[in-house]
Amino acid sequence: AQSVTQLGSHVSVSEGALVLLRCNYSSSVPPYLFWYVQYPNQGLQLLLKYTTGATLVKGINGFEAEFKKSETSFHLTKPSAHMSDAAEYFCAVSDLGGSNYKLTFGKGTLLTVNP
Amino acid sequence: GAGVSQTPSNKVTEKGKYVELRCDPISGHTALYWYRQSLGQGPEFLIYFQGTGAADDSGLPNDRFFAVRPEGSVSTLKIQRTERGDSAVYLCASSPSGTGDYNEQFFGPGTRLTVL
Repeated sequence: AQSVTQLGSHVSVSEGALVLLRCNYSSSVPPYLFWYVQYPNQGLQLLLKYTTGATLVKGINGFEAEFKKSETSFHLTKPSAHMSDAAEYFCAVSDLGGSNYKLTFGKGTLLTVNP
Repeated sequence: GAGVSQTPSNKVTEKGKYVELRCDPISGHTALYWYRQSLGQGPEFLIYFQGTGAADDSGLPNDRFFAVRPEGSVSTLKIQRTERGDSAVYLCASSPSGTGDYNEQFFGPGTRLTVL
């Protein structure tokens, strides 16, 4: 069974500071990995995904994440936080195979950005 | 274009009542998914439709939960004899197809269900 662990349910940074949101996963097969963002009263929006190929993936709004198989991690980073980045972020995993539609999510990390 | 829409946005009901939650996917998307997000948790998979048929309903918690997609577009999630533990945000997503290479799932805003 797959699982996702997001370290830190709440992360607070100052505007302009580095954003680092941690995600570790467990999967018995090679995974697809995702980061989603959820703004209040809105649906989940895909930030970026890793399927195959380059392990450093770039997403929207200046975010990027690196797949590290040896560490089973997929941490999300952004060099400089903006006030508009305040939201909840979810890491998710799915199988690299026939059931790749079934996303398993972490519990989420709420990011607050202080002026 | 229009995204995934869900109605109602909020639903308050009493324990034991029956509820229906509706999802309108993006036009042309053949795959449709339901997830449930309880307070403080990430979304949990409930069911996946490919066209009109439920290809995977392994996430439905028990037989009080049922979902249909009769014409391969709009889907309805039905919950019988609601319990307080059913209170959650129910999310719907759609994608161009559910097979082959990964298809991005586009999520709706959700329906917040409260069972009193």
